[in-house]
Amino acid sequence: SQQGEEDPQALSIQEGENATMNCSYKTSINNLQWYRQNSGRGLVHLILIRSNEREKHSGRLRVTLDTSKKSSSLLITASRAADTASYFCATDAGGGSNYKLTFGKGTLLTVNP
Amino acid sequence: SQTIHQWPATLVQPVGSPLSLECTVEGTSNPNLYWYRQAAGRGLQLLFYSVGIGQISSEVPQNLSASRPQDRQFILSSKKLLLSDSGFYLCAWSGITMRAYNEQFFGPGTRLTVL
Repeated sequence: SQQGEEDPQALSIQEGENATMNCSYKTSINNLQWYRQNSGRGLVHLILIRSNEREKHSGRLRVTLDTSKKSSSLLITASRAADTASYFCATDAGGGSNYKLTFGKGTLLTVNP
Repeated sequence: SQTIHQWPATLVQPVGSPLSLECTVEGTSNPNLYWYRQAAGRGLQLLFYSVGIGQISSEVPQNLSASRPQDRQFILSSKKLLLSDSGFYLCAWSGITMRAYNEQFFGPGTRLTVL
């Protein structure tokens, strides 16, 4: 079953603007991860946030996690045309599901030059 | 450094033909290995995962099977392809680290079209 659900499904912005994508999930998690996929390519791991963390930064990326609302957001600041890609959240439920991630359907981000 | 290979990159097969997709990982030992399928414009569906040689867990009933004959080799197979098997197949690995956080590293994918 699909654990993470991203919204919006698609987002189109101008270069230099910030892009915010959201992810909601249903069950408790060990950590939540964000991945990026360029068209026709494999996924690339961007950032991981643990269940006991509330915010994490990596370069132009900022991820927040609200476990009470079972939601996360990914903010990309000062976007560039090269940021155009699909972005997926993935949840790690831990425990007996230690080996599996459950991916959402993704947000397609288009950054217009 | 670790690398993951998948081949072929693209494949066009007739309905009813067999399938064999191969994935290999270099630079790590005893990885967890995964096969995903991604339909057009959709998220990833986990098909199989393996935590060791000969250990395969299937996530969904389907026309496909997986095998792990060697530590760093993962094979996805079918005896007779269906139209619904078309899609983008991704192999991934994750390693057992001190933190044991399940970050996964993906191969470039195989685009399969069944006609």
